[in-house]
Amino acid sequence: EIVMTQSPATLSVSPGERATLSCRASQSISSNLAWYQQKPGQAPRLLIYGASTRATGIPARFSGSGSGTEFTLTISSLQSEDFAVYYCQQYNNWPLTFGGGTKVEIK
Amino acid sequence: EVQLVESGGGLVQSGGSLRLSCAASGFTFSSYWMHWVRQAPGKGLVWVSRLNSDGSTTTYADSVRDRFTISRDNAKNTLYLQMNSLRAEDTAVYYCARSYSYGSNWFDPWGQGTLVTVSS
Repeated sequence: EIVMTQSPATLSVSPGERATLSCRASQSISSNLAWYQQKPGQAPRLLIYGASTRATGIPARFSGSGSGTEFTLTISSLQSEDFAVYYCQQYNNWPLTFGGGTKVEIK
Repeated sequence: EVQLVESGGGLVQSGGSLRLSCAASGFTFSSYWMHWVRQAPGKGLVWVSRLNSDGSTTTYADSVRDRFTISRDNAKNTLYLQMNSLRAEDTAVYYCARSYSYGSNWFDPWGQGTLVTVSS
């Protein structure tokens, strides 16, 4: 099973600042990585797939990068609606696995 | 509008059974792979199972294999998850999710989830 490790667990950021979230895979997953956003009491929402392709309707302030084992989600200028938990997910191997999440909170 | 609506969750005793349903609308259900993903209270996301478009190929997480069965009725646009021999550690919100595109294994959209509570 591929283990996905996200860091940091919690990120405190002021509105308008940049947020950088990391995701590491225990073995190479090429670019087979997705990112999701989850707000309290809501279902997750797809942000990024293929490590760097934004899903339909996702604002350009969200960007993804990386390949192999190291990946990054960047939110260029945090808006109030971006404070949430973010998960990465690999789909290179079965079983599909998620990282433990990064909570982005208001500083 | 693409929509997924889960139902069937509730409180069940350890060792019991429950069947979850996921009603799909707004897209051609029979063309998409479907998945179940769960989230224990206050915890992260865990993929549970996947079913291909015609229902002929299933994949399960080790933790639920031989206890859970995923199935679908394309005529009714509905996905199911039959859960048997339930354990306390199966307590979670269960989400159904559609593959983003044919054959893909990332998820969009997701349903709102249904809570399953297993009492010991």
